[in-house]
Amino acid sequence: AQRVTQPEKLLSVFKGAPVELKCNYSYSGSPELFWYVQYSRQRLQLLLRHISRESIKGFTADLNKGETSFHLKKPFAQEEDSAMYYCALLGGYQKVTFGTGTKLQVIP
Amino acid sequence: NAGVTQTPKFRVLKTGQSMTLLCAQDMNHEYMYWYRQDPGMGLRLIHYSVGEGTTAKGEVPDGYNVSRLKKQNFLLGLESAAPSQTSVYFCASSASVSGEQFFGPGTRLTVL
Repeated sequence: AQRVTQPEKLLSVFKGAPVELKCNYSYSGSPELFWYVQYSRQRLQLLLRHISRESIKGFTADLNKGETSFHLKKPFAQEEDSAMYYCALLGGYQKVTFGTGTKLQVIP
Repeated sequence: NAGVTQTPKFRVLKTGQSMTLLCAQDMNHEYMYWYRQDPGMGLRLIHYSVGEGTTAKGEVPDGYNVSRLKKQNFLLGLESAAPSQTSVYFCASSASVSGEQFFGPGTRLTVL
């Protein structure tokens, strides 16, 4: 079975501080991983995916197969980064599994 | 383009009642999904479809049925609603299995 674990329900950081949102996965095959974000009163939307190896809004995420992790990082948090973040895994049978989400709160 | 739309936005049901949630997308996407979002549980996949006329079970399919008679529509049915089905339901679509999922605004359902 495939599983995504986001251990933190809430992460509070000060503006300008580094951010790391943790995501660990369990999947026997080769995973495709994503980060989705939901800003207040907005729809859930894709932030980035590991195959693109891109930086979006200053966020990056590296797939570490050895540690089965896909942590989301940003060197300097901004107030507008406050949102709910979900890690997601595309695994077997074309199913996507989402984690339980982490609420990021950036304190001014 | 409207993207992904969901009807209705809110609904209150009594236990045992039935209802259908409608999801429509105008992006010609092959893949469509229904999720439920509950506090502390994240998004859980109920059913999904990889193309017109096809459906498949997700993580939590019990108590729900779906149909994809037209490519642009994906219907989620509750035949006999239960309080445990109180949740926010999200529909999503994507062009490919590994593509970006585009989400609807959600439907807040309360079952009394």
